[in-house]
Amino acid sequence: QVQLVQSGAEVKKPGASVKVSCKGYGYAFTSYAVHWVRQAPGQSLEWLGWINAGNGATKYSQKLQGRVTFTRDTPANTVYMEINSLESEDTAVYYCTRSILGNFFYFDYWGQGTLVTVSS
Amino acid sequence: QSALTQPASVSGSPGQSITISCIGTSSDVGGYNSVSWYQQHPGKAPKLIIYDVTQRPSGFSDRFSGSKSGNTASLTISGLHTEDEADYYCCSYAPGSTWVFGGGTEVTVL
Repeated sequence: QVQLVQSGAEVKKPGASVKVSCKGYGYAFTSYAVHWVRQAPGQSLEWLGWINAGNGATKYSQKLQGRVTFTRDTPANTVYMEINSLESEDTAVYYCTRSILGNFFYFDYWGQGTLVTVSS
Repeated sequence: QSALTQPASVSGSPGQSITISCIGTSSDVGGYNSVSWYQQHPGKAPKLIIYDVTQRPSGFSDRFSGSKSGNTASLTISGLHTEDEADYYCCSYAPGSTWVFGGGTEVTVL
């Protein structure tokens, strides 16, 4: 069945970088986009951007533009999110989720989430 | 892009109906029929419950329904069950191939 499986929790110091992976199972990986969404403790969901798993095109939210990079490894059905220059405000659970490429604008399957803690 | 506006909390008794609003602008909610809703239980990932304003994923309960009027989308839960107690988030497609979420609504079943 369809699954998105994310890498494990990370603890980083301010100014460091973090790279989170999201591996897709049970579907045609390159027919979908993978989006990243984060949720700070006790806060709402925040859309961070997406990567077209087919051609690698990316779109980032204005808030993280310049600090975040999405990449993909299509043979491994895996996408990666890397955030640089981490700040305490980046402490959150990060989710990957997917949407079908084309005129489809919703997220039907989600990863289990990866907790990233930024602390000195 | 500013977050969509949702009430912080809504409550109801078992069997009652409740409605959660999601207020956006003509650039997001009002501009596209691309509003989706997600249910999130504590410590769990969000789960899609409504897409394209009114559509339910296959096999999902018909007690959940969605609608939209102008810049406001709504989620109605009919016949409240205790397991409906969760946080609910609306989400809209927005210009430039971006998306925006609402602030979330905590639903309490009294």
